[in-house]
Amino acid sequence: EPEVTQTPSHQVTQMGQEVILRCVPISNHLYFYWYRQILGQKVEFLVSFYNNEISEKSEIFDDQFSVERPDGSNFTLKIRSTKLEDSAMYFCASSLGRFGETQYFGPGTRLLVL
Amino acid sequence: SQQGEEDPQALSIQEGENATMNCSYKTSINNLQWYRQNSGRGLVHLILIRSNEREKHSGRLRVTLDTSKKSSSLLITASRAADTASYFCAPFRDRDDKIIFGKGTRLHILP
Repeated sequence: EPEVTQTPSHQVTQMGQEVILRCVPISNHLYFYWYRQILGQKVEFLVSFYNNEISEKSEIFDDQFSVERPDGSNFTLKIRSTKLEDSAMYFCASSLGRFGETQYFGPGTRLLVL
Repeated sequence: SQQGEEDPQALSIQEGENATMNCSYKTSINNLQWYRQNSGRGLVHLILIRSNEREKHSGRLRVTLDTSKKSSSLLITASRAADTASYFCAPFRDRDDKIIFGKGTRLHILP
């Protein structure tokens, strides 16, 4: 069964460094999402992406964050200058359609900012 | 989605028993989905029920939807240790795409 994959599974970085989190969505899916979950807290929506554009972003998704689909398979989340509070689990998801569609989540990348 | 509110917040039952958790939401929906998260790991879609459906089954899962009460329930029958997880509902209105997660129901299956 097709699945969403994410790399790396864990990333440790120093505050102020740039990180790129990678996702490979399910191949025929058209809509892509990033969510994050700070330890012990709710899963929060960050951004949705379709047709090489951001569809929607949350207040969390400030200028330090960017997303890209650099080729036909990868979907990346870049954090330009990491802060301690960016430490979280980051989940990528994809869906075939947009509204009310089932979302398929990757296993997550655990980011620790020191 | 709009945020659903899951109830109870936590539930502990013996292995083999049935587990029921509930979801309430505020405005009319197109469909409602249930997701599971095992201990901080990835989320897994369990089942989707449309607004014109009242009940749906998938394996040991049974979902009901009462649109007049704006509520849904998820029943897991014959629970197993592997069912230990957090469960979230996601009610979707017509033009909802992102999921707004609530706190979920933390289900713990006791051996």
